[in-house]
Amino acid sequence: AQSVTQLDSQVPVFEEAPVELRCNYSSSVSVYLFWYVQYPNQGLQLLLKYLSGSTLVKGINGFEAEFNKSQTSFHLRKPSVHISDTAEYFCGSGTSYGKLTFGQGTILTVHP
Amino acid sequence: AAGVIQSPRHLIKEKRETATLKCYPIPRHDTVYWYQQGPGQDPQFLISFYEKMQSDKGSIPDRFSAQQFSDYHSELNMSSLELGDSALYFCASSTLDRANNEQFFGPGTRLTVL
Repeated sequence: AQSVTQLDSQVPVFEEAPVELRCNYSSSVSVYLFWYVQYPNQGLQLLLKYLSGSTLVKGINGFEAEFNKSQTSFHLRKPSVHISDTAEYFCGSGTSYGKLTFGQGTILTVHP
Repeated sequence: AAGVIQSPRHLIKEKRETATLKCYPIPRHDTVYWYQQGPGQDPQFLISFYEKMQSDKGSIPDRFSAQQFSDYHSELNMSSLELGDSALYFCASSTLDRANNEQFFGPGTRLTVL
């Protein structure tokens, strides 16, 4: 079964600093990987997704992620964070047509 | 652009009562998914429907049932509510393009069982 592991439950960072949220996946089949963001008291919003093609995926709000097959990782990065990036971020996997399986979530807190 | 609509947004029930959550997918989306997010937890898949037929089932209790109607909206029915059912319930929808499973999530229904 496909699963993902988010390596950090909380990541504090100062404004304008770079950030990396780590995600490892395990799967023996073709993967669909994604990152969703959840702002306080809101629903989930897709940041970016990887199904195939270029391993560097660019998403919304300046985020990007790199699919690394040899390390089975799909880390999320942003070169310079803003206060408004404070939220919980979920890495996940799924098939191209079915249910999504989420990681445990990483709370990103951006300090001024 | 139209988004997924969920109603109600908040619901308070007593133990052993029933609850019905509604989901209205984005127009022309044919697939609906239900997820449950407990406090401080990640969303867990409950059940999904494609073209009004159940397409997959996750860790959904037998006390819960769901269906998708002819207009593609879906309802999650929950009976004999327990304290542990208190959670945020998300509905998501996706398109006919099944090679691109981008699921669009609604704002969620926060269910509190007292």
